[in-house]
Amino acid sequence: DIQMTQSPSSLSASVGDRVTITCRASQSISSYLNWYQQKPGKAPKLLIYAASSLQSGVPSRFSGSGSGTDFTLTISSLQPEDFATYYCQQSYSTLTITFGQGTRLEIK
Amino acid sequence: QVTLKESGPVLVKPTETLTLTCTVSGFSLSNARMGVSWIRQPPGKALEWLAHIFSNDEKSYSTSLKSRLTISKDTSKSQVVLTMTNMDPVDTATYYCARMITYYYDSSGYKRDLGYFDYWGQGTLVTVSS
Repeated sequence: DIQMTQSPSSLSASVGDRVTITCRASQSISSYLNWYQQKPGKAPKLLIYAASSLQSGVPSRFSGSGSGTDFTLTISSLQPEDFATYYCQQSYSTLTITFGQGTRLEIK
Repeated sequence: QVTLKESGPVLVKPTETLTLTCTVSGFSLSNARMGVSWIRQPPGKALEWLAHIFSNDEKSYSTSLKSRLTISKDTSKSQVVLTMTNMDPVDTATYYCARMITYYYDSSGYKRDLGYFDYWGQGTLVTVSS
């Protein structure tokens, strides 16, 4: 199975900061990489699909990049509602989907 | 309006079999561009994909849990069912069902694979305890 490794596991930042979260795949997955945001007690919410496509309704301060094995999620200017846990998910093989272990974004 | 809703027991005993139902609305389980997965999340831990069913009834399972899982669907009832055998306390988790968009056709008419989850159910917490 393809393993997904996120870094960092947790991150403290302030409102207005630019934040980058990294996801690395154990083998090349082309651009089959999706990002989700999850708040406590809620289901995950799709932010970015196909590595860099912004899901409808998601603010433009969220962006994704990368291909092959290395991917990033960037929040250009953190807002109070962005403090949450973020997960990457590979869909290179839809027969064996895998998620990263998550990155918890906390208020500094 | 697309919705997914999980239902099933909140408490199961060790060694029992868990049966969860995902009832969907706003789309058809026969839509070739869509499928439904089950995903779980133990308290305070990461998301773990369990199983997926495609519109053509093809199924896929987590490698580590394959021997314990069965996924099926009833298109007429708009339901996807997951069974997990031999439940253990480590299986205590919130179980989600989610819709996957599997592909699209680009402006040139080429089929492009996707594989993202655009709608999720609210989740159902299942506790395994005697």
